[in-house]
Amino acid sequence: EPEVTQTPSHQVTQMGQEVILRCVPISNHLYFYWYRQILGQKVEFLVSFYNNEISEKSEIFDDQFSVERPDGSNFTLKIRSTKLEDSAMYFCASSERTTQETQYFGPGTRLLVL
Amino acid sequence: KQEVTQIPAALSVPEGENLVLNCSFTDSAIYNLQWFRQDPGKGLTSLLLIQSSQREQTSGRLNASLDKSSGRSTLYIAASQPGDSATYLCAVNFYQLIWGAGTKLIIKP
Repeated sequence: EPEVTQTPSHQVTQMGQEVILRCVPISNHLYFYWYRQILGQKVEFLVSFYNNEISEKSEIFDDQFSVERPDGSNFTLKIRSTKLEDSAMYFCASSERTTQETQYFGPGTRLLVL
Repeated sequence: KQEVTQIPAALSVPEGENLVLNCSFTDSAIYNLQWFRQDPGKGLTSLLLIQSSQREQTSGRLNASLDKSSGRSTLYIAASQPGDSATYLCAVNFYQLIWGAGTKLIIKP
Protein backbone atom coordinates (compact mmCIF):
# COMPACT_ATOMS: atom_id res chain seq x y z
CA GLU A 1 0.00 0.00 0.00
CA PRO A 2 1.41 3.43 -0.92
CA GLU A 3 2.54 5.52 1.99
CA VAL A 4 4.05 8.88 2.81
CA THR A 5 7.68 8.69 3.84
CA GLN A 6 9.79 11.22 5.71
CA THR A 7 13.50 11.64 6.30
CA PRO A 8 15.26 11.91 8.61
CA SER A 9 13.32 10.30 11.43
CA HIS A 10 15.28 12.36 13.97
CA GLN A 11 17.36 15.50 13.62
CA VAL A 12 19.32 17.42 16.21
CA THR A 13 20.55 20.88 15.33
CA GLN A 14 22.01 23.96 16.96
CA MET A 15 19.93 27.09 17.35
CA GLY A 16 20.37 29.36 14.35
CA GLN A 17 21.14 26.56 11.93
CA GLU A 18 19.09 25.77 8.85
CA VAL A 19 17.33 22.42 8.57
CA ILE A 20 15.57 20.75 5.68
CA LEU A 21 12.97 18.12 6.36
CA ARG A 22 12.11 15.82 3.50
CA CYS A 23 8.94 14.07 2.52
CA VAL A 24 7.90 11.82 -0.32
CA PRO A 25 4.11 12.07 -0.69
CA ILE A 26 2.01 9.31 -2.22
CA SER A 27 2.82 9.39 -5.91
CA ASN A 28 -0.53 10.30 -7.49
CA HIS A 29 -1.49 12.80 -4.80
CA LEU A 30 -1.79 16.47 -5.66
CA TYR A 31 -2.03 18.21 -2.27
CA PHE A 32 0.76 18.21 0.26
CA TYR A 33 0.85 19.48 3.82
CA TRP A 34 3.14 20.10 6.75
CA TYR A 35 2.00 19.94 10.36
CA ARG A 36 3.89 20.10 13.60
CA GLN A 37 3.28 18.78 17.09
CA ILE A 38 5.20 20.28 19.97
CA LEU A 39 5.61 17.73 22.74
CA GLY A 40 2.44 17.48 24.79
CA GLN A 41 0.52 19.90 22.57
CA LYS A 42 -2.02 19.67 19.77
CA VAL A 43 -1.08 19.02 16.18
CA GLU A 44 -0.91 22.33 14.30
CA PHE A 45 -1.31 23.04 10.61
CA LEU A 46 1.62 24.83 8.98
CA VAL A 47 1.06 24.91 5.23
CA SER A 48 -0.64 23.29 2.28
CA PHE A 49 0.86 23.11 -1.22
CA TYR A 50 -0.72 22.51 -4.59
CA ASN A 51 0.45 22.91 -8.15
CA ASN A 52 3.88 24.11 -7.05
CA GLU A 53 2.65 26.86 -4.83
CA ILE A 54 1.40 27.45 -1.32
CA SER A 55 -2.38 27.23 -1.22
CA GLU A 56 -2.79 28.06 2.45
CA LYS A 57 -0.58 28.75 5.45
CA SER A 58 -1.08 29.36 9.14
CA GLU A 59 0.22 32.23 11.23
CA ILE A 60 2.95 29.89 12.46
CA PHE A 61 4.37 29.65 8.94
CA ASP A 62 6.36 32.86 8.97
CA ASP A 63 9.36 33.98 6.93
CA GLN A 64 11.71 31.48 8.55
CA PHE A 65 9.77 28.63 6.92
CA SER A 66 9.64 27.70 3.27
CA VAL A 67 8.43 24.73 1.26
CA GLU A 68 9.52 23.41 -2.07
CA ARG A 69 8.88 20.59 -4.47
CA PRO A 70 12.39 20.31 -5.91
CA ASP A 71 11.59 17.37 -8.18
CA GLY A 72 8.72 15.07 -9.08
CA SER A 73 8.72 13.16 -5.83
CA ASN A 74 10.13 15.16 -2.92
CA PHE A 75 8.44 17.84 -0.84
CA THR A 76 10.61 19.74 1.60
CA LEU A 77 10.18 22.02 4.58
CA LYS A 78 13.07 24.38 5.26
CA ILE A 79 13.50 26.19 8.54
CA ARG A 80 16.02 28.94 7.92
CA SER A 81 17.29 29.85 11.37
CA THR A 82 16.04 27.41 13.95
CA LYS A 83 14.88 28.47 17.39
CA LEU A 84 14.51 26.43 20.53
CA GLU A 85 10.74 26.59 20.15
CA ASP A 86 10.94 24.90 16.75
CA SER A 87 11.64 21.63 18.54
CA ALA A 88 8.71 19.43 17.62
CA MET A 89 7.57 16.47 15.59
CA TYR A 90 6.96 17.54 12.00
CA PHE A 91 4.48 15.57 9.95
CA CYS A 92 4.06 15.59 6.21
CA ALA A 93 0.74 14.55 4.66
CA SER A 94 -0.80 14.25 1.24
CA SER A 95 -4.28 13.96 -0.23
CA GLU A 96 -5.26 12.75 -3.65
CA ARG A 97 -7.21 15.51 -5.38
CA THR A 98 -8.58 18.04 -2.90
CA THR A 99 -8.07 19.27 0.65
CA GLN A 100 -11.43 17.71 1.53
CA GLU A 101 -10.26 14.14 1.11
CA THR A 102 -8.49 11.87 3.56
CA GLN A 103 -5.04 13.14 4.41
CA TYR A 104 -2.41 10.44 4.74
CA PHE A 105 0.42 11.12 7.12
CA GLY A 106 4.06 10.18 7.20
CA PRO A 107 5.79 8.87 10.34
CA GLY A 108 7.18 12.28 11.22
CA THR A 109 10.58 13.85 11.81
CA ARG A 110 11.46 14.62 15.39
CA LEU A 111 13.44 17.88 15.42
CA LEU A 112 15.41 18.90 18.47
CA VAL A 113 16.96 22.36 18.54
CA LEU A 114 19.67 22.87 21.15
CA LYS B 1 -12.19 30.73 15.51
CA GLN B 2 -12.70 26.97 15.23
CA GLU B 3 -11.95 25.11 18.44
CA VAL B 4 -11.88 21.33 18.79
CA THR B 5 -12.27 19.65 22.16
CA GLN B 6 -11.96 15.99 23.05
CA ILE B 7 -13.40 14.42 26.15
CA PRO B 8 -12.21 12.56 28.11
CA ALA B 9 -8.51 13.38 28.01
CA ALA B 10 -7.73 9.86 29.20
CA LEU B 11 -9.65 6.65 29.57
CA SER B 12 -8.69 3.29 31.02
CA VAL B 13 -11.03 0.34 30.59
CA PRO B 14 -10.84 -3.45 30.81
CA GLU B 15 -10.46 -5.46 27.64
CA GLY B 16 -13.71 -6.35 25.91
CA GLU B 17 -15.64 -3.23 26.81
CA ASN B 18 -17.36 -1.05 24.26
CA LEU B 19 -16.41 2.58 24.57
CA VAL B 20 -17.15 6.01 23.17
CA LEU B 21 -14.75 8.86 22.57
CA ASN B 22 -16.12 12.35 22.09
CA CYS B 23 -15.10 15.25 19.90
CA SER B 24 -16.79 18.63 19.75
CA PHE B 25 -16.18 21.65 17.53
CA THR B 26 -17.42 25.20 17.69
CA ASP B 27 -18.10 26.05 14.04
CA SER B 28 -20.34 23.69 12.10
CA ALA B 29 -19.15 24.90 8.67
CA ILE B 30 -16.77 22.00 8.21
CA TYR B 31 -15.96 19.96 5.12
CA ASN B 32 -15.39 16.75 7.02
CA LEU B 33 -14.03 15.26 10.21
CA GLN B 34 -11.26 12.73 10.47
CA TRP B 35 -10.36 10.40 13.35
CA PHE B 36 -6.72 9.39 13.79
CA ARG B 37 -4.77 7.07 15.98
CA GLN B 38 -1.34 8.00 17.35
CA ASP B 39 0.92 5.53 19.08
CA PRO B 40 3.58 6.93 21.46
CA GLY B 41 6.31 8.74 19.55
CA LYS B 42 4.84 7.64 16.27
CA GLY B 43 2.95 9.04 13.32
CA LEU B 44 -0.74 9.60 12.66
CA THR B 45 -2.84 6.79 11.26
CA SER B 46 -6.13 7.77 9.65
CA LEU B 47 -9.00 5.65 10.96
CA LEU B 48 -12.16 7.15 9.51
CA LEU B 49 -13.24 10.21 7.58
CA ILE B 50 -16.82 11.47 7.69
CA GLN B 51 -17.91 14.00 5.11
CA SER B 52 -20.10 16.85 6.33
CA SER B 53 -23.08 15.34 4.50
CA GLN B 54 -22.70 11.98 6.22
CA ARG B 55 -23.95 10.85 9.62
CA GLU B 56 -21.86 7.76 10.14
CA GLN B 57 -18.87 5.75 8.94
CA THR B 58 -17.81 2.27 9.93
CA SER B 59 -14.56 0.36 9.67
CA GLY B 60 -14.37 -2.99 11.41
CA ARG B 61 -14.91 -2.47 15.13
CA LEU B 62 -14.89 1.30 14.74
CA ASN B 63 -17.92 3.45 14.12
CA ALA B 64 -17.78 7.22 13.87
CA SER B 65 -20.80 9.48 13.90
CA LEU B 66 -21.18 13.13 13.06
CA ASP B 67 -23.82 15.61 14.15
CA LYS B 68 -22.72 18.74 12.39
CA SER B 69 -25.52 20.94 13.69
CA SER B 70 -24.59 20.29 17.30
CA GLY B 71 -20.86 20.27 16.59
CA ARG B 72 -20.23 16.74 17.81
CA SER B 73 -18.65 13.52 16.68
CA THR B 74 -18.21 10.25 18.50
CA LEU B 75 -15.89 7.33 17.89
CA TYR B 76 -17.33 4.06 19.09
CA ILE B 77 -14.93 1.17 19.62
CA ALA B 78 -16.54 -2.22 20.02
CA ALA B 79 -15.04 -5.11 21.98
CA SER B 80 -11.87 -3.21 22.89
CA GLN B 81 -8.51 -4.99 22.81
CA PRO B 82 -5.14 -4.15 24.39
CA GLY B 83 -3.87 -3.34 20.89
CA ASP B 84 -6.35 -0.47 20.75
CA SER B 85 -4.31 1.35 23.37
CA ALA B 86 -3.19 4.64 21.80
CA THR B 87 -4.11 8.29 21.64
CA TYR B 88 -7.12 9.00 19.45
CA LEU B 89 -7.28 12.38 17.75
CA CYS B 90 -10.09 14.04 15.89
CA ALA B 91 -9.47 16.77 13.34
CA VAL B 92 -12.06 18.90 11.59
CA ASN B 93 -11.43 20.05 8.07
CA PHE B 94 -12.21 23.76 8.22
CA TYR B 95 -10.15 24.99 5.27
CA GLN B 96 -7.31 23.30 7.13
CA LEU B 97 -7.25 20.50 9.68
CA ILE B 98 -7.94 21.79 13.19
CA TRP B 99 -7.04 19.23 15.82
CA GLY B 100 -8.26 18.18 19.22
CA ALA B 101 -5.81 17.37 21.99
CA GLY B 102 -6.71 13.68 21.89
CA THR B 103 -8.00 10.99 24.21
CA LYS B 104 -5.35 8.68 25.62
CA LEU B 105 -6.90 5.23 25.73
CA ILE B 106 -5.54 2.34 27.79
CA ILE B 107 -7.13 -1.08 27.44
CA LYS B 108 -6.23 -3.33 30.36
CA PRO B 109 -5.85 -7.06 29.62
